[in-house]
Amino acid sequence: QSALTQPASVSGSPGQSITISCTGTSSDIGTYNYVSWYQQHPGKAPKLMIYDVSNRPSGVSYRFSASKSGNTASLTISGLQAEDEADYYCTSYTSRRTLVFGTGTKVTVL
Amino acid sequence: EVQLVESGGGLVQPGRSLRLSCAASGFTFDDYAMHWVRQAPGKGLEWVSGISWNSGSLLYADSVKGRFTISRDNAKNSLYLQMDSLRADDTALYYCAKDINYASSSRGLDYWGLGTLVTVSS
Repeated sequence: QSALTQPASVSGSPGQSITISCTGTSSDIGTYNYVSWYQQHPGKAPKLMIYDVSNRPSGVSYRFSASKSGNTASLTISGLQAEDEADYYCTSYTSRRTLVFGTGTKVTVL
Repeated sequence: EVQLVESGGGLVQPGRSLRLSCAASGFTFDDYAMHWVRQAPGKGLEWVSGISWNSGSLLYADSVKGRFTISRDNAKNSLYLQMDSLRADDTALYYCAKDINYASSSRGLDYWGLGTLVTVSS
């Protein structure tokens, strides 16, 4: 099972919006609504930001939103803040009864 | 407060075995699926294995299938990962993670431990 494809890096200035894409196949993102997103700061454990494609867990800022179209999922961070600088990973359940993570995206706040 | 505490990592020679444990507290353990996720030094996250609430469904990544065995003891609020025939490319920080769902077809992992480091080297 190949990893889902994410851009290696995305950057933006404070206050701007950025979008991270996550491209899979019809065997994962395209079929299942079990897409989630994680934020990981250096040396820390990942944090769940989005589950079931577009749902935010309690305590996650409204500035984080997500969606899915076809085989591609997307995470948007609006009103970019310095604390958003981190690595972001998507993941999806697959038809082979596995989970697959994305390649990861480093977000830089300029 | 939900807590997940991994243990059992260490330095092991290629071909040998290691058993990881994860002690859970602060939630009803047997209501949720659990997973192991690893991260090699400087690399991304890789899902390793998942287990449903009642151990009825066991899932494995292709990279560990046939070598690793996931299990849980709901009476002890504990998750385990038996790792056999270890290889150098199994070297990673291994995280225990709680699913938001009871089934192993993960909808999201909402709590993570701090990880336990496994180093496979001669």
